[in-house]
Amino acid sequence: DGGITQSPKYLFRKEGQNVTLSCEQNLNHDAMYWYRQDPGQGLRLIYYSQIVNDFQKGDIAEGYSVSREKKESFPLTVTSAQKNPTAFYLCASSHRRNAGANVLTFGAGSRLTVL
Amino acid sequence: GIQVEQSPPDLILQEGANSTLRCNFSDSVNNLQWFHQNPWGQLINLFYIPSGTKQNGRLSATTVATERYSLLYISSSQTTDSGVYFCAARSGTYKYIFGTGTRLKVLA
Repeated sequence: DGGITQSPKYLFRKEGQNVTLSCEQNLNHDAMYWYRQDPGQGLRLIYYSQIVNDFQKGDIAEGYSVSREKKESFPLTVTSAQKNPTAFYLCASSHRRNAGANVLTFGAGSRLTVL
Repeated sequence: GIQVEQSPPDLILQEGANSTLRCNFSDSVNNLQWFHQNPWGQLINLFYIPSGTKQNGRLSATTVATERYSLLYISSSQTTDSGVYFCAARSGTYKYIFGTGTRLKVLA
């Protein structure tokens, strides 16, 4: 079945450590996204990528980095520069803008806790 | 950029009741979706509805693009409908902007 796989589901890290969250999709989608959700809040866009080797900052990119070396993969690194990294991170993907119904599809999420 | 607002922020219903959730957006959109976030955090797509009306079982949605709003109707609500409902809109780019959600609790 096609879908988006995020790993790990739960992650604990100490302050000052970088951590990388994995996102893989087999939907043949061109665009991929990373969102952050804090308890009781909506989703805020961190980074998005329309094609391989290209990505743009979202609304809260500071302290995060991404890469898009393959169409299927869009890993997110939470760096030590991110002041409040404890959150629920959601990866999503969609087709190109003009390719029919561009339904945004989400993975199951990764919950990061900084100790 | 586009602003998305949802109302009400919280809703408590008795099982079997009907409800209407609203999503207002500040600019014309080329994509609007409704999602349900379950207790485990998974976001499930309910409707892709940039305009018009769609129905799926007890759920239906209507988007009036010219007036910049969308409505999600839940009929004969069940306890499994509990969770958070989000709408997300996109205008001209790849950026989807989410509303702050409506938290629904259905009591048995």
